[in-house]
Amino acid sequence: DGGITQSPKYLFRKEGQNVTLSCEQNLNHDAMYWYRQDPGQGLRLIYYSQIVNDFQKGDIAEGYSVSREKKESFPLTVTSAQKNPTAFYLCASSMFGNSYEQYFGPGTRLTVT
Amino acid sequence: GESVGLHLPTLSVQEGDNSIINCAYSNSASDYFIWYKQESGKGPQFIIDIRSNMDKRQGQRVTVLLNKTVKHLSLQIAATQPGDSAVYFCAENYGGATNKLIFGTGTLLAVQP
Repeated sequence: DGGITQSPKYLFRKEGQNVTLSCEQNLNHDAMYWYRQDPGQGLRLIYYSQIVNDFQKGDIAEGYSVSREKKESFPLTVTSAQKNPTAFYLCASSMFGNSYEQYFGPGTRLTVT
Repeated sequence: GESVGLHLPTLSVQEGDNSIINCAYSNSASDYFIWYKQESGKGPQFIIDIRSNMDKRQGQRVTVLLNKTVKHLSLQIAATQPGDSAVYFCAENYGGATNKLIFGTGTLLAVQP
């Protein structure tokens, strides 16, 4: 089956620790995205990557970092500098150029205490 | 995630009725719009899209209307079913080559049996 996988579904960390969220896609999409979702708010873009070895900051990049070493993978690290890291994190991918439709993974719920 | 529906505008309808979900978008230069459905604890799923050179598009049981004069989108769901209960988001593409989508805050659709 083609799709996007995110793991784990639930993640718990202590304050002050960095944590890396996984996102893998086998859709052969060029572009990948990370969003954060909080209750009562729309999805907010953290980082996006249009091609391997290249990525750009989104609207709320502070306290996060990413890498894009492979086309299929776009891991997100939530660093200790992120002031309010508890949220639902969504990864998406899309073909670059012809379509704006983004396909989403199932999400990871991160809780930091 | 599970709490994404908190504090959102809510539309409550009876099973079998038609639903209309509205969305105001922000950028008059946006050239592409998408409606997504998000069930509790899952990632958003594509429902239907429309380009700015159209004012109406129909899918299976769903219709999207675009009014560029007032920057307004609506999603109509015919014969609403319990399985339609979810949060519905509109998204706009600002144009250009970045494939960046800007998401609305969402509307919670609650279908009463």
